[in-house]
Amino acid sequence: GAVVSQHPSWVICKSGTSVKIECRSLDFQATTMFWYRQFPKQSLMLMATSNEGSKATYEQGVEKDKFLINHASLTLSTLTVTSAHPEDSSFYICSALRLAGGNEQFFGPGTRLTVL
Amino acid sequence: GNSVTQMEGPVTLSEEAFLTINCTYTATGYPSLFWYVQYPGEGLQLLLKATKADDKGSNKGFEATYRKETTSFHLEKGSVQVSDSAVYFCALSANTGGFKTIFGAGTRLFVKA
Repeated sequence: GAVVSQHPSWVICKSGTSVKIECRSLDFQATTMFWYRQFPKQSLMLMATSNEGSKATYEQGVEKDKFLINHASLTLSTLTVTSAHPEDSSFYICSALRLAGGNEQFFGPGTRLTVL
Repeated sequence: GNSVTQMEGPVTLSEEAFLTINCTYTATGYPSLFWYVQYPGEGLQLLLKATKADDKGSNKGFEATYRKETTSFHLEKGSVQVSDSAVYFCALSANTGGFKTIFGAGTRLFVKA
């Protein structure tokens, strides 16, 4: 099956710093990627849809200036959490949409962010 | 809008017991339906899927049938193992929603030896 990687797998940072998380589709091109956030023992909440070469589409209630998304190539999307605070601590998961063979999403392993 | 409702957990079973996790959905059009599994500390893994009515998805002894008439996609396994302990998410994806995947709340399964 298709592989999606995330880097880093975990990160600890100080409050006020910015953190960048990368999502890569390793063996297919993805014009569309998705970013999710998961709180402990809860479901995944879609944050935004990342479109290659254009602006991301954010879900209602998600601060676009806080969570910057860049999809500069067909295999890479990045999520930058700007001026992170402890309430941003969470598990961030990306997925990449593969159109060939039936419009299937493949999920990355997730990045655990802890803001001190 | 599209939504997924699944039974609340946690579900606690003894090894070799029968498992059912209920899932119902609301969607416009003809969504694809999925079950994902998340083991502790890990990301999501696709367990099985069905893309049209009456399709049955199956994998690792788990099964689910796409029932359009009842808008359901219940997950079943005839004999669970301790290694099946995880959180199970029912989900749907529809091209009318830009292929966004909408997840249910998740059901935590504990299997005791």
